[in-house]
Amino acid sequence: DQQVKQNSPSLSVQEGRISILNCDYTNSMFDYFLWYKKYPAEGPTFLISISSIKDKNEDGRFTVFLNKSAKHLSLHIVPSQPGDSAVYFCAASAIRQGAQKLVFGQGTRLTINP
Amino acid sequence: DADVTQTPRNRITKTGKRIMLECSQTKGHDRMYWYRQDPGLGLRLIYYSFDVKDINKGEISDGYSVSRQAQAKFSLSLESAIPNQTALYFCATRYGSTGELFFGEGSRLTVL
Repeated sequence: DQQVKQNSPSLSVQEGRISILNCDYTNSMFDYFLWYKKYPAEGPTFLISISSIKDKNEDGRFTVFLNKSAKHLSLHIVPSQPGDSAVYFCAASAIRQGAQKLVFGQGTRLTINP
Repeated sequence: DADVTQTPRNRITKTGKRIMLECSQTKGHDRMYWYRQDPGLGLRLIYYSFDVKDINKGEISDGYSVSRQAQAKFSLSLESAIPNQTALYFCATRYGSTGELFFGEGSRLTVL
């Protein structure tokens, strides 16, 4: 049972435009969400997070939106740059339940075209 | 130097062999994790540990075992490797129950 789903395996965006990566979850107890970025031959690195008490969090070119009623979050990158080409994973955790682990989605490969 | 170090980075072995992947960290974190990455399946949790005396199974622990030798060291063993354990393995650390995971660079294991 995939509790966190990224239904788009890949996404191609032109440099300078907006990239939107989507993530859906099924467990209503999830209350903390993160996005990770992974380059080839490297481990995933933390990008941005959001708590369920918020619906938006921004960090420079990166913004994460959370829609709790739809159990959906999205990562917006604007403007997209060639260095943003990577695999992006969303992850979720149930902090209120004392859950100590992150559940990851399948990942979306983002390619930024010049 | 990396804060989370995995060895070996690449390993090719044969079915039935015992394999150990090692992880060490200099971040001083109490929690350590082993994940496996497969194409189309993302990162799946194998085992996690909150401290030296606390080991917990993740979602895909069958065929694997772990040892937390010290707060800074967490090793993953495959007692008898099989081809479907061919994957990219990541160790990660975390301080406390919230916040981000910090990942190592990964260990690519191929079982022939």
